[in-house]
Amino acid sequence: DAGVIQSPRHEVTEMGQEVTLRCKPISGHNSLFWYRQTMMRGLELLIYFNNNVPIDDSGMPEDRFSAKMPNASFSTLKIQPSEPRDSAVYFCASTRMGTGKFFGPGTRLTVL
Amino acid sequence: AQSVTQLDSQVPVFEEAPVELRCNYSSSVSVYLFWYVQYPNQGLQLLLKYLSGSTLVKGINGFEAEFNKSQTSFHLRKPSVHISDTAEYFCAVSEGTSYDKVIFGPGTSLSVIP
Repeated sequence: DAGVIQSPRHEVTEMGQEVTLRCKPISGHNSLFWYRQTMMRGLELLIYFNNNVPIDDSGMPEDRFSAKMPNASFSTLKIQPSEPRDSAVYFCASTRMGTGKFFGPGTRLTVL
Repeated sequence: AQSVTQLDSQVPVFEEAPVELRCNYSSSVSVYLFWYVQYPNQGLQLLLKYLSGSTLVKGINGFEAEFNKSQTSFHLRKPSVHISDTAEYFCAVSEGTSYDKVIFGPGTSLSVIP
């Protein structure tokens, strides 16, 4: 299995631009999570899905952030418009009952 | 609400020496406990987990952790570290017995010195 796949690995954009991060979970996993990691705040859960349905989005910082999971093999995290304070590493993780989370390699986002 | 404390932000240790990374949590209910490792520029990888049963849990790469309910601790240990163990280590606790909502600690940076 290829593990959790995230793209792009690095993204540099200018303030105000739309950013879309992509994630392909491990096949057979029914839960998917989006995390953000920064030096100041550590690892924060943004949103998670069970069976493609958003369960808890209380960690999403504001309305500029949105996430979708149109099917079991794909999810997106969108920031529109982006701001410099959104700069962070964004991780996607997937799991199925009884396992720990499997994390992707992350997307390093820099907003100038 | 649950919280996780990792008392040591940085732990330097010489190669082949033992190491203990400390983790304490606060919760009034039963929880699941996890340790993850993050190598530079990579995602987190599960080292081990405690769900129930034996309080001594063995994980990958020679690591083990012991669950102590009375002290609400879940310290990570390895009897002899290698250079390749240099990484960031995160303790995590579930919200109740849920696999989904997991709270991560701030992390401990382990540096193995040759």
